[in-house]
Amino acid sequence: DTGVSQDPRHKITKRGQNVTFRCDPISEHNRLYWYRQTLGQGPEFLTYFQNEAQLEKSRLLSDRFSAERPKGSFSTLEIQRTEQGDSAMYLCASSLAMDNSPLHFGNGTRLTVT
Amino acid sequence: AQTVTQSQPEMSVQEAETVTLSCTYDTSENNYYLFWYKQPPSRQMILVIRQEAYKQQNATENRFSVNFQKAAKSFSLKISDSQLGDTAMYFCAFMSDSNYQLIWGAGTKLIIKP
Repeated sequence: DTGVSQDPRHKITKRGQNVTFRCDPISEHNRLYWYRQTLGQGPEFLTYFQNEAQLEKSRLLSDRFSAERPKGSFSTLEIQRTEQGDSAMYLCASSLAMDNSPLHFGNGTRLTVT
Repeated sequence: AQTVTQSQPEMSVQEAETVTLSCTYDTSENNYYLFWYKQPPSRQMILVIRQEAYKQQNATENRFSVNFQKAAKSFSLKISDSQLGDTAMYFCAFMSDSNYQLIWGAGTKLIIKP
């Protein structure tokens, strides 16, 4: 069990550029979540997959955000035409498909949009 | 809609003391799960303890225990014999039985002083 892995750890980009983050969940976990966290706040839900199916997407998520989990293993989160307000920590978590299965988090990707 | 409230933005105690972090939540559901997560500075979110709402017995994990009051919708975390390594942000989170989003509180910054 190597835990949840996220890449890159840090990303600095200029406004208007596209960025893509990757998350590798714990291998036997079939649920995968993306959250966004700004300084001093709790995580904000973005989207959730069970296997390769994207089951829920936050209404707060603009059309510039898209996430995929093509083979039910790793996931990517893409942000198009980044804005300064997108600067945040992007957290990935995974869990088993059991009702009270706790989420295991990765170290996050810190995005800074200049 | 469910909400989670942590009314203590920051707390500090001396090493070896006992500290209690408060959390209240609002839900109309009967079956749900509650979690406390710890996020040390610049490190990943880690599960501390979890409680199933249908269980009357309070969860304990070594020095960490909860006081779950279902009628009052209260879920406080007690840390006994606090250690310097307990310094972190602590987040209370709620998950209903009907969807798998975690609803988070704003967090409490806990500082353990030597």
